[in-house]
Amino acid sequence: EAGVVQSPRYKIIEKKQPVAFWCNPISGHNTLYWYRQNLGQGPELLIRYENEEAVDDSQLPKDRFSAERLKGVDSTLKIQPAELGDSAVYLCASSPGTSGSSDTQYFGPGTRLTVL
Amino acid sequence: QKEVEQDPGPLSVPEGAIVSLNCTYSNSAFQYFMWYRQYSRKGPELLMYTYSSGNKEDGRFTAQVDKSSKYISLFIRDSQPSDSATYLCAMTVHGQNFVFGPGTRLSVLP
Repeated sequence: EAGVVQSPRYKIIEKKQPVAFWCNPISGHNTLYWYRQNLGQGPELLIRYENEEAVDDSQLPKDRFSAERLKGVDSTLKIQPAELGDSAVYLCASSPGTSGSSDTQYFGPGTRLTVL
Repeated sequence: QKEVEQDPGPLSVPEGAIVSLNCTYSNSAFQYFMWYRQYSRKGPELLMYTYSSGNKEDGRFTAQVDKSSKYISLFIRDSQPSDSATYLCAMTVHGQNFVFGPGTRLSVLP
């Protein structure tokens, strides 16, 4: 079974430029998560999707971040414009169930973003 | 006070040692507890998954949860150099909002 796929793996941009990350979850997984992981820290949730619906985006900085999950499968996370403080690893994870289930998550390898 | 706390290390042990990794938390509503291993430049991978209090064993790994003390532990027996990684604890109330600790960096020296 293929795992969670993310691209690109690395991205270097200048501040104020836009950037987008793509995630393909494990086939059949209904819930998709985007996390940000700063150096030396654990992942912090940005947004959680159940199928096509964003059910928790309370930690997403909506002035510059946006996300979509069309058709309830792949997802894209966008930052526009990027700031120096956005440098981090952006992790995508998926789980089989939805709210109320105790399914755990499976992570992709992440996209390492460097903003210069 | 952060919701989940973990000693960042680094923790260095000789090969074959028993390793003890710990997390404390403040939210008594957490019911599901996980340990993830994260190698450098990789995503976290699930090691252990425990519901409520008690012990769970899987090979060289044992997870313990003490909800009364809000304290969880991961023990690694007969540690190997390949166990060198960052270990993250994570917890959730109903499988919705997972909260991660900052991770403990472990080095097992041959």
